[in-house]
Amino acid sequence: EAGVVQSPRYKIIEKKQPVAFWCNPISGHNTLYWYLQNLGQGPELLIRYENEEAVDDSQLPKDRFSAERLKGVDSTLKIQPAELGDSAVYLCASSRQLAGGQDTQYFGPGTRLTVL
Amino acid sequence: AQKVTQAQTEISVVEKEDVTLDCVYETRDTTYYLFWYKQPPSGELVFLIRRNSFDEQNEISGRYSWNFQKSTSSFNFTITASQVVDSAVYFCALSDSASKIIFGSGTRLSIRP
Repeated sequence: EAGVVQSPRYKIIEKKQPVAFWCNPISGHNTLYWYLQNLGQGPELLIRYENEEAVDDSQLPKDRFSAERLKGVDSTLKIQPAELGDSAVYLCASSRQLAGGQDTQYFGPGTRLTVL
Repeated sequence: AQKVTQAQTEISVVEKEDVTLDCVYETRDTTYYLFWYKQPPSGELVFLIRRNSFDEQNEISGRYSWNFQKSTSSFNFTITASQVVDSAVYFCALSDSASKIIFGSGTRLSIRP
């Protein structure tokens, strides 16, 4: 079974430019997560989708960040415009929704963003 | 509020030594889940174990073992007979319903040949 797929793996852009990251979750996983991981720290949740619905976006900086999951499968995370402080690794994860909560989250390889 | 503390920022041991990674958590929930993930240099977070708050049995999987103690709010991870391939950053994490996970800051483990 294929794992969580993310692209691109690496992205270098100038500040104020837009950037987008793509994620394809594990087949059958209806919950999708975007995390931000700064150097030397653990991942922090940006947004969580259950199917097409964003059920937790409280940590997403909405002035410049946006996300979508139009058909409840693939998702795109966008930053416009990017700032120097956005340099980090952006991780996507997915899980199955169970009767008692969520199953374990499985992570993709991440996209390492460098803003110059 | 939930919190995970991994006090060991970096650990370096010689191959074949045993090593224990500490994890202390804080939560007011009676039902919660604890996790360990491994992040090798490739960057992907690899799931190692999930434990719910009602199951305090220690677990062993090959060279890996986990010691869950609710009395001290700890969920420590031991690697026996460490190998160079075990070198990675290891994250302990906590969740109330396994939906929103709070990660610790990680422990960087280096195994020297």
